[in-house]
Amino acid sequence: KAGVTQTPRYLIKTRGQQVTLSCSPISGHRSVSWYQQTPGQGLQFLFEYFSETQRNKGNFPGRFSGRQFSNSRSEMNVSTLELGDSALYLCASSLGGHEQFFGPGTRLTVL
Amino acid sequence: GQQLNQSPQSMFIQEGEDVSMNCTSSSIFNTWLWYKQDPGEGPVLLIALYKAGELTSNGRLTAQFGITRKDSFLNISASIPSDVGIYFCAGQPMNRDDKIIFGKGTRLHILP
Repeated sequence: KAGVTQTPRYLIKTRGQQVTLSCSPISGHRSVSWYQQTPGQGLQFLFEYFSETQRNKGNFPGRFSGRQFSNSRSEMNVSTLELGDSALYLCASSLGGHEQFFGPGTRLTVL
Repeated sequence: GQQLNQSPQSMFIQEGEDVSMNCTSSSIFNTWLWYKQDPGEGPVLLIALYKAGELTSNGRLTAQFGITRKDSFLNISASIPSDVGIYFCAGQPMNRDDKIIFGKGTRLHILP
């Protein structure tokens, strides 16, 4: 069974640009969660989608948004990028229960 | 909001030593999870715990769900170089609609 995949793995953008990250969950998993990870900050929860509906949202500005498609694939978008948005963005999928399985992440660098 | 206090923040040990780390909270959790993250990769699920008092092993790793439901422990026996990484605890609040909470991680270093 294939794991969670995230594309792209690495991304370099400049301030003010926008970016879209993609996540394909494990087959059969309907829940997708997104996290931002920066050194010293641990995993900061962004949002969770379940069956195309946002079920939970973290404390991030409205520049961060996401969506989930009918095939459970998810995208997150960050508009008007800031230097502080540089981070590893992790996607995790689950059947809807407690065990989350993470993808390898997308390393975003904002210059 | 709910928080998990994970300790220690970092550990420096000799190869072959045993390791202990823990997570505590003022809130009760329904499930405890332990993850390991290697550099540049996503966290990998090591052990999941579902019942208070439960003790579960995965090879040299043993984790326990605290009897009060407010804490969990992870032990690694006879550490080896590939154990290096960051270990995260995570708890699922009793309200299953609430998001999973992650600790800030324990960074494990193994001295040559």
